[in-house]
Formats: sequence, C-alpha cells, structure tokens
Amino acid sequence: GAVVSQHPSWVICKSGTSVKIECRSLDFQATTMFWYRQFPKQSLMLMATSNEGSKATYEQGVEKDKFLINHASLTLSTLTVTSAHPEDSSFYICSARKEETASYEQYFGPGTRLTVT
Amino acid sequence: GNSVTQMEGPVTLSEEAFLTINCTYTATGYPSLFWYVQYPGEGLQLLLKATKADDKGSNKGFEATYRKETTSFHLEKGSVQVSDSAVYFCALRGLTGGGNKLTFGTGTQLKVEL
Repeated sequence: GAVVSQHPSWVICKSGTSVKIECRSLDFQATTMFWYRQFPKQSLMLMATSNEGSKATYEQGVEKDKFLINHASLTLSTLTVTSAHPEDSSFYICSARKEETASYEQYFGPGTRLTVT
Repeated sequence: GNSVTQMEGPVTLSEEAFLTINCTYTATGYPSLFWYVQYPGEGLQLLLKATKADDKGSNKGFEATYRKETTSFHLEKGSVQVSDSAVYFCALRGLTGGGNKLTFGTGTQLKVEL
C-alpha cells in the first residue's frame, strides 16, 4: 500500500499563534513531499515541494517565512503556519511521492482543516 | 502556464445513470492527465491516468480518453452507484517546472441517489 496520514485532521487556533501540521508516509519512504492549499470550491494550489534533507521549494507568491516546511526524515514533513491570521484559514493537503516508482505518482493525505479565529 | 477546467457541480444522478464529467486543459507539449477521486473524509486517490494522446485510462468502470485535438480528458461511467458519490478532480502533470508538479481543476462533486 501507500498510505499518507496528516495530523491533526482539524485545528482551531487564535490569531497570532503558530500551528504545526504533520504529514507522514506510513508504509513507504518519500524523499519528496508536497503541500497544497484548497479553498472552498477551488482547486488544490501547490504551495511548496518539500525535499528531505534540504530546503523546500516554494511556489511563486507563497511566503517562505510564514509557511515553514521541514522535511527531516524520509517519512515526515511538517508545515508550520507562523503568526496565523484568519486569511490563513483553509484546508491543507499533503502528498508524498513513492521513491521506488519512476511514475512520479503522488499519494495524498486526508487533509487538515485550519481555522484561525 | 498550465491550467485545467472542469465542469462545476454538484452533479446529481440516479443510480445506474450514465456519468460524464467534462475536463479540458491548457498546457505546452504533451502532459500526462489524471483523474483523482476524494471520498468524504479521505485523501485524494488516483482513479485513472493517461500519458499520451489517444490513451484510454480505466478503473472501477470509469474511463477517460486523452484527446489531444480537443485538449480534453472527459470522465465517463456507464452506470453509477451510490458508492461513487465523491468529489472528482481532473489534473495534469506538465513538462515545464519539474516533472512532479500537478495542476488540478476545481473538482466536481457527484451525488448518486437511489
């Protein structure tokens, strides 16, 4: 199988605080993971590509200092939303690329609903 | 840049009805095309894919044909079931900007009723 989990599944935080979201590949190793953001009735927007052991690659328009990504092991990437504000409220989804395949197929986590009050 | 346009939902059908969800794309070169499905409370799952023109992807009774001349990848199923109720995303993986990046459509919610 190829299962990706996210924790927490939902979180509510106060404006100005930081929130960490974890993405884990449970039964495979992933050098590359991806973080997406999804607004209601809109498509998934790629925020950044997370590379194990190196810095993440951010998409244009995504603030690096606000969305901190750490990919410290082959099974874990974390996204920290720093100094969160209500406009950061969204659905955050991660995916992981299975290393032993050359097909670039991504396996997705169930998502994390962030609400900033 | 790359983009994917798919029909807005929700699409509501009776069980055993025929399903079509339209998807068109804009991309340079020859992208790979995908349909993902998201069941309630779960992550996106790859439903089917096609990597070159005229390829037909199929899985679980769903089919989609890569039509380069119309830049389309419409999803079809001959007889839907209640268990097919989910959100369906069309996506492409282009050749520019790295081979890993997926561009998604907005998703189409399908509701199948008895």
